[in-house]
Amino acid sequence: GDSVTQMEGPVTLSEEAFLTINCTYTATGYPSLFWYVQYPGEGLQLLLKATKADDKGSNKGFEATYRKETTSFHLEKGSVQVSDSAVYFCALSSTDKLIFGTGTRLQVFP
Amino acid sequence: DAGVTQSPTHLIKTRGQQVTLRCSPKSGHDTVSWYQQALGQGPQFIFQYYEEEERQRGNFPDRFSGHQFPNYSSELNVNALLLGDSALYLCASSLRTAWGDTQYFGPGTRLTVL
Repeated sequence: GDSVTQMEGPVTLSEEAFLTINCTYTATGYPSLFWYVQYPGEGLQLLLKATKADDKGSNKGFEATYRKETTSFHLEKGSVQVSDSAVYFCALSSTDKLIFGTGTRLQVFP
Repeated sequence: DAGVTQSPTHLIKTRGQQVTLRCSPKSGHDTVSWYQQALGQGPQFIFQYYEEEERQRGNFPDRFSGHQFPNYSSELNVNALLLGDSALYLCASSLRTAWGDTQYFGPGTRLTVL
């Protein structure tokens, strides 16, 4: 069945460092891909999405490109802030339901 | 424009009891999906409601049931609670379109079963 694999965390960075969180997927067909972010004690917020191959989703300085050839959707940010500390979930849409990875915790220190 | 709302925020129950969680979708949305998120895990799909019918169901037992009302709001019911049902329950709403939909999540209901 369809699945999402994320790099294990936590990812620990200093403020202004470059961020990459790896995400790969297995799916039949061509799913839409998403990154959601979860701050402590809160629900999920949609960060960005891409609906077809080579699409780039972007929001708040975060970017991810839908790579069909490598079945990947890695999340990147050029300069992280302390306020970016959260858990990040990669997900794919499979017959209208979302399938999530296990999440990657990001900790950014001043 | 109100986003997805859920109630209650927190709930404590004992084994064997029954619980009802509620969700109001984002304005303009017609589809509600429910997810269970265990501690330290990603959300797992429970089921989805559209036009007041269950359209899809994940790998959850019949103890989990739901309902969607004409105003698109939804309830999740869990019977005969088990300790393992302790989790954050997330509701997501979306607008069903021919080219797929994007789901927006509420803040969740934290259920603790003692």
